[in-house]
Amino acid sequence: GAGVSQSPSNKVTEKGKDVELRCDPISGHTALYWYRQSLGQGLEFLIYFQGNSAPDKSGLPSDRFSAERTGGSVSTLTIQRTQQEDSAVYLCASSHQYRGTGTSYEQYFGPGTRLTVT
Amino acid sequence: TQLLEQSPQFLSIQEGENLTVYCNSSSVFSSLQWYRQEPGEGPVLLVTVVTGGEVKKLKRLTFQFGDARKDSSLHITAAQPGDTGLYLCAGKTNAGNMLTFGGGTRLMVKP
Repeated sequence: GAGVSQSPSNKVTEKGKDVELRCDPISGHTALYWYRQSLGQGLEFLIYFQGNSAPDKSGLPSDRFSAERTGGSVSTLTIQRTQQEDSAVYLCASSHQYRGTGTSYEQYFGPGTRLTVT
Repeated sequence: TQLLEQSPQFLSIQEGENLTVYCNSSSVFSSLQWYRQEPGEGPVLLVTVVTGGEVKKLKRLTFQFGDARKDSSLHITAAQPGDTGLYLCAGKTNAGNMLTFGGGTRLMVKP
């Protein structure tokens, strides 16, 4: 079946402009995650949606970052007034819903959106 | 400060050599995962270890979870050029399904 898809694959924007990044999770996956990856580095957690619960926004680096998930499926990550330090690869992942201690569901990652702020 | 420290950050070896990548933390994780990532793609899960002291083998790759569930290692035997990539460890606590990633180990295997 189809995996996680993200668009655009690459985005170049000028400092100060707003950008929207899109994620289409695997059908049937109720949990969705956004991560940020600087060049060749590990992943930094940004935000986590689980079913109809309020999202965990604890990883968002500033109030310029926001995300929403419409209809429990597609998610959009918005960065307002972009800065050069926002340049990174933004990765989305999805999984089945977490059901408590002792369970762990594999996260499936999309190919990412490479954002360059000039 | 990263919760999970990976070492080494970079490793360049010849085909046929063995190597070990380490993932260390002062925190206890309910499970720990290893991912491999190739350029332009997202990470792909290799293995999940959940029990302290657990050892899992995947062909030439051997994964171990520390007894205290604070550290893990990945050992590759007789490395091949196809093993080249970024290897990431990621830990999960009981607080939810979010993963905390290490900084990654970039492996290059030369033919």
